[in-house]
Order: sequence, then C-alpha cells, then structure tokens
Amino acid sequence: GQSLEQPSEVTAVEGAIVQINCTYQTSGFYGLSWYQQHDGGAPTFLSYNALDGLEETGRFSSFLSRSDSYGYLLLQELQMKDSASYFCAVSKGTALIFGKGTTLSVSS
Amino acid sequence: GAVVSQHPSRVICKSGTSVKIECRSLDFQATTMFWYRQFPKQSLMLMATSNEGSKATYEQGVEKDKFLINHASLTLSTLTVTSAHPEDSSFYICSAGPLKGQTYEQYFGPGTRLTVT
Repeated sequence: GQSLEQPSEVTAVEGAIVQINCTYQTSGFYGLSWYQQHDGGAPTFLSYNALDGLEETGRFSSFLSRSDSYGYLLLQELQMKDSASYFCAVSKGTALIFGKGTTLSVSS
Repeated sequence: GAVVSQHPSRVICKSGTSVKIECRSLDFQATTMFWYRQFPKQSLMLMATSNEGSKATYEQGVEKDKFLINHASLTLSTLTVTSAHPEDSSFYICSAGPLKGQTYEQYFGPGTRLTVT
C-alpha cells in the first residue's frame, strides 16, 4: 500500500519562505504531486516530480529525492492568499493517494 | 481548458433516501474519473475509479452496493449514495485526468457537500 506523512500545520508571515516536507512509502513509484486546497474548494495542481531534483514554478518549487522517499514543497514570498491546505500525493495507477495535508496559515 | 463540474454543490437529504451526484468533464473526454471523500480538516480518500463503459473499481473498505458508480459516457460519471445515513455526510469530490498526452495532472470538480439528517 501507500502512505504519506507531512506536518499537520505550518504558520508563517507574509513575505517569508516555508517548506512543507513529505515522506512516502509506496509499492511502485511514479511521481510525487502537490495540490493546494482552499477551505471548501477543489484541490488544484501545483507541481509534480518524477525525477530527483528541483522543479520551479513561479513562487512555488518542489523537490524530490527518490532514494530517501522524500520530497518537499517550497513556497516563497508568502502571501495571505497562500493560506490553504497543501497535500502531497503519489500515483496509484492514474489515481492519487493523498497525504493527510498541511494547513498553512499566513499572517500579516 | 480541463474543467470538471459537479452537481449539486450541496445537498441535504433524509436518512434512508438516495442521492445522486454528477461529475462532468466539460471540455475534454475522460475515460477514467475518480471519486474521493473528504471529512472536515482531513485528507481526500480515494473511494473508487470510474471507468467509462465498465464497472468501477472500488478501494478496500468502500461498499460498492452503497456507493453506486456509473460512467455512462466519456464526459459523465455519477455517484449514487444509496440508503444514506448521517455517517455518510461528507464532502465528495470527483476528478478526471490526466489529459491525453499528459501523465499526471488531475483536474478536480468543486465538490458536493452531502448532509444526511
């Protein structure tokens, strides 16, 4: 089966940098995805890593180390609108198995 | 592009009744859609994989006779919660993807909040 661990909560101030870690155990690895979900809303895709290394998309970056079964999402220049839940996920076929989510609270 | 809609967005029903939730891919065809369930402040739990023209594949612990899934066309999957009980109250979200030529991105519907009284 698959399991993913990530911190439950993170707090930060506007303009800061935050890193959300994710460790996973999975039988057969096809990639690590990150999704953002605002309260009551739909998850939206942020980033995906299939290979080791860093992927950068604007203020967000994601890193993967397959040998360590570890990844992280890096959020820079935090804004109030970044307050949301962030989920790492691994693929099960084309479906996704999600971690428990990290609630990010950004204050001014 | 790649928009997924769900209907209804909210539904309240009485215990013992059945509720149907629709998931539509608006601008692409989806041979496979997925249904998730999410309790407040918790993760999305994969319930089942909906395959167009064939039976759904349910995750362990999900009652297939209670959560009926039908994927009758390339743009529509439905989830029917039969004989609903208060413990079925939850946020149900569908997704579709990846798009042809892609390998990973899922597109999620806005979710349906079900309350069973």
